[in-house]
Amino acid sequence: DGGITQSPKYLFRKEGQNVTLSCEQNLNHDAMYWYRQDPGQGLRLIYYSQIVNDFQKGDIAEGYSVSREKKESFPLTVTSAQKNPTAFYLCASSPRDRSSNQPQHFGDGTRLSIL
Amino acid sequence: AQSVAQPEDQVNVAEGNPLTVKCTYSVSGNPYLFWYVQYPNRGLQFLLKYITGDNLVKGSYGFEAEFNKSQTSFHLKKPSALVSDSALYFCAVRDQTSNTGKLIFGQGTTLQVKP
Repeated sequence: DGGITQSPKYLFRKEGQNVTLSCEQNLNHDAMYWYRQDPGQGLRLIYYSQIVNDFQKGDIAEGYSVSREKKESFPLTVTSAQKNPTAFYLCASSPRDRSSNQPQHFGDGTRLSIL
Repeated sequence: AQSVAQPEDQVNVAEGNPLTVKCTYSVSGNPYLFWYVQYPNRGLQFLLKYITGDNLVKGSYGFEAEFNKSQTSFHLKKPSALVSDSALYFCAVRDQTSNTGKLIFGQGTTLQVKP
């Protein structure tokens, strides 16, 4: 079955540590996205990528970094500069079409907490 | 500025009764609108979308949504609620300022269906 796999499901970060969240998709989608979800705040866009080797900052990119070396992979690094990283992180993908009316498909998320 | 509003943090209905989850939007131009559902510790699942055409859109699990251009609304409805419909629901609109698949999400509405 095609889908999006996020790992790990739970992750703990120590003070001053960088951690990387994995996102892999086998849907052959060009576009991929990272969202942060906090209670009562909906989803906020961190980074997105429309094509391999290209990505753009979203609304809350500070303290995060990404790479897009392969079409199927879009890892997110939460750096030590992100002072409040505790949240639920969701990865999504969608076809890249001119009309932009295709829904995004989501993984099951990674819950990041501070130790 | 583009935005999506879900005015109710929580909606409570009895099983078997009709349900409505409200959504209003603000975009320039014709909106592309989406509804998603999220169960605890899971990603978002796509329910339905409005792009153009008939104002009543049918989606998964018996849900439908009514697009009202004059009221800039896209309310989610179901004729007969099930306990298993209890979840967090998100309305989203496509970002019209960029030629990408970016979505702007509402804050979410928790639906509680009681037996």
